Amino acid sequence: EDKVVQSPLSLVVHEGDTVTLNCSYEVTNFRSLLWYKQEKKAPTFLFMLTSSGIEKKSGRLSSILDKKELFSILNITATQTGDSAVYLCAVERLPNSGYALNFGKGTSLLVTP
Amino acid sequence: DAGVTQSPTHLIKTRGQQVTLRCSPKSGHDTVSWYQQALGQGPQFIFQYYEEEERQRGNFPDRFSGHQFPNYSSELNVNALLLGDSALYLCASSRTSFGYRETQYFGPGTRLLVL
Repeated sequence: EDKVVQSPLSLVVHEGDTVTLNCSYEVTNFRSLLWYKQEKKAPTFLFMLTSSGIEKKSGRLSSILDKKELFSILNITATQTGDSAVYLCAVERLPNSGYALNFGKGTSLLVTP
Repeated sequence: DAGVTQSPTHLIKTRGQQVTLRCSPKSGHDTVSWYQQALGQGPQFIFQYYEEEERQRGNFPDRFSGHQFPNYSSELNVNALLLGDSALYLCASSRTSFGYRETQYFGPGTRLLVL
């Protein structure tokens, strides 16, 4: 059975800190790993990672995938209170194995002023 | 460009009742997936519709059924509601081209409370 495990489950930091969120996975026929940010309701797409070692960046957020060790990290530098949210990691299988996203439980991040 | 929309935003039902949730995909998207997110958990895949057919199904009972219309919008129906069906129901849309399904974008969800 596929597994997606995120750590830590919750985190409290001060504005300006740097945080690293972890996601490890076990999935057959891996296609991609995705990160989403969920504030109130709708998860919003952050990154899709398919290749090992290639960092994706968007502003203060960055993410990288290690397909050998089966994990990904999401880094947020110079955190702001607006970064407070639940960060979800999901893995996706190759097309012939189905398209469903398999999510972890999420990491709840609180950035205090 | 409208994103994924869902209705209603909130719903309260009692055990044993039936509920229908609706989803309109993002413009240009033809594939709709439904997820159930219980409090403190990640979303769990229910099923996916493409070309008006259920293409894949997660580990949910037959009480959960769906439909996709020619305009790509979709409905999720849940019969014989249980207390445990209380959750946020998320719809995600994507575009499928040449058998390749692109990134899924989520709607704001419908919060269902079963009493």
